[in-house]
Amino acid sequence: NAGVTQTPKFQVLKTGQSMTLQCAQDMNHNSMYWYRQDPGMGLRLIYYSASEGTTDKGEVPNGYNVSRLNKREFSLRLESAAPSQTSVYFCASSEARQPNQPQHFGDGTRLSIL
Amino acid sequence: KQEVTQIPAALSVPEGENLVLNCSFTDSAIYNLQWFRQDPGKGLTSLLLIQSSQREQTSGRLNASLDKSSGRSTLYIAASQPGDSATYLCAVRSVRDSNYQLIWGAGTKLIIKP
Repeated sequence: NAGVTQTPKFQVLKTGQSMTLQCAQDMNHNSMYWYRQDPGMGLRLIYYSASEGTTDKGEVPNGYNVSRLNKREFSLRLESAAPSQTSVYFCASSEARQPNQPQHFGDGTRLSIL
Repeated sequence: KQEVTQIPAALSVPEGENLVLNCSFTDSAIYNLQWFRQDPGKGLTSLLLIQSSQREQTSGRLNASLDKSSGRSTLYIAASQPGDSATYLCAVRSVRDSNYQLIWGAGTKLIIKP
């Protein structure tokens, strides 16, 4: 009963390096999301995928790309990491992109950019 | 633009006390409001979801109220226990946002002292 699984849990990068954060869900959900959480701020939506084959920008998409690989997996890529991207990244999924659908969250990836 | 505020940012109380966490939002046109719990190094767990037509929701020792017209919600925790120590976040879905995004507060870090 894994729910939403994120890998890796921790990562340290140097400025300019690239990296892909992985997310997989086993609940057969249609919609998936990537958020970032910074100290003193609420979570902010980076990208989301309403259904397999579609992706859309959220509030803070600059510097990121996403891929909805299949229904289960939604990855987030940093092409050229910057210190401002140091954050905790959360992946979430929901049955559908509807206002009453609860989102289920992974445990997060703690990313530091030096 | 919808904004969500949670005050205080941190709260420390002795075990056994009843306590109230606050959440305010600037635009009363919401679908619903959710309260989440976040444990250190973990993801977010949904505690309660209140629809815009509801006044309150209860789950065990937790009671969440919603006053949409004044843009406020409270999370009441009865007979607090050390295991309640966590960060509590609230989030709303605005009617004016066709993407149904969750707009988050920064959270209240709660410490229950044994």
